[in-house]
Amino acid sequence: SAVISQKPSRDICQRGTSLTIQCQVDSQVTMMFWYRQQPGQSLTLIATANQGSEATYESGFVIDKFPISRPNLTFSTLTVSNMSPEDSSIYLCSAYRAGSGELFFGEGSRLTVL
Amino acid sequence: EDQVTQSPEALRLQEGESSSLNCSYTVSGLRGLFWYRQDPGKGPEFLFTLYSAGEEKEKERLKATLTKKESFLHITAPKPEDSATYLCAVPDNTGFQKLVFGTGTRLLVSP
Repeated sequence: SAVISQKPSRDICQRGTSLTIQCQVDSQVTMMFWYRQQPGQSLTLIATANQGSEATYESGFVIDKFPISRPNLTFSTLTVSNMSPEDSSIYLCSAYRAGSGELFFGEGSRLTVL
Repeated sequence: EDQVTQSPEALRLQEGESSSLNCSYTVSGLRGLFWYRQDPGKGPEFLFTLYSAGEEKEKERLKATLTKKESFLHITAPKPEDSATYLCAVPDNTGFQKLVFGTGTRLLVSP
């Protein structure tokens, strides 16, 4: 298994500002992903974080709004840019190690935009 | 389009009252079905991955089974600490473990 740490765990932000969320995995993993969970909803994939190259975004999510970095096999960041109240959600980092059959999640970062 | 549907949406049980949660899916070429438990304010906790029809996995009071069209999560003699939202998910057709999630079943077990 893998332990995934996310920072911050929660934050309250003003409209128009940006916030960067960090995700650290305790061991090397094959793939890292970012999900969003809006209040009362299930999880929606934002993007796959690719090591050393641009992230792969899902339909409805764009790089200008959600820039993602993954400089190495254990670390990734997600920035939520020019925030609006509609961005209030829990943002979750997940990691998959090939051959393990398991995909793990961090505890999430709860973002509230006023 | 890959879809995952969970039922019931919510389930209330008395302690010791066994039941099952359902997850039905439509995906071409199933590459696994994942079950998670999520407590309020926390990230999903991995429970099981099932790969082929007929496969079963157990963990404490939970047993997951898989058919060609659906999966069941059986909860035997549940305790209040089993109260949580249970999510199932399947990888999409790209095969890179990008999961499509169901909306979950909220389970409440009363003492």
